[in-house]
Amino acid sequence: AQKVTQAQTEISVVEKEDVTLDCVYETRDTTYYLFWYKQPPSGELVFLIRRNSFDEQNEISGRYSWNFQKSTSSFNFTITASQVVDSAVYFCALSEPTDSWGKLQFGAGTQVVVTP
Amino acid sequence: DAGVTQSPTHLIKTRGQHVTLRCSPISGHKSVSWYQQVLGQGPQFIFQYYEKEERGRGNFPDRFSARQFPNYSSELNVNALLLGDSALYLCASSFRVDMTYEQYFGPGTRLTVT
Repeated sequence: AQKVTQAQTEISVVEKEDVTLDCVYETRDTTYYLFWYKQPPSGELVFLIRRNSFDEQNEISGRYSWNFQKSTSSFNFTITASQVVDSAVYFCALSEPTDSWGKLQFGAGTQVVVTP
Repeated sequence: DAGVTQSPTHLIKTRGQHVTLRCSPISGHKSVSWYQQVLGQGPQFIFQYYEKEERGRGNFPDRFSARQFPNYSSELNVNALLLGDSALYLCASSFRVDMTYEQYFGPGTRLTVT
């Protein structure tokens, strides 16, 4: 069963629009970690954020913000005032003790296309 | 500081051959993980090594093996290559934080099996 679901395959926006990427996860563990990575066309995965299951505070970093809601098992990611450089595939990932802390379980990714 | 380096960048092999991929982690990182990413999908975990010991293994056949050296660099070996092994192989260098690992990825090795 898919542990991390990113239902949006592709989102296309015009520059300066906001875009929200959904991530829904599944785990039986009470302690776990969630991550977001960006994969630009060059292919290298870029780490964006790590969040543990006990910290439900929303986080903002520049134009990026994250909304973590344990009640709905979601960890959504918003890019505000999108730019062409934001065009990439974005992955949500889960790390849990049941498997192995060092194993990241990735969703299928959401392709974001930002046009000028 | 240098990031994660992987070699080679690209590789073309024939079915049945063997391949060795290499990874050098970020200085100070003691853990290396390997992932396979098939086109259009998210990365799939293959192995994690920490202090030269295997700490995790994904759902991959025994044709896949890896090791970590005293300098923390790592090799991923794949025997008896199949067409389905064609993928981007990503190495992640990581350090322990809280109970998990924060993983930083290299540029990957693109393997094509013909």
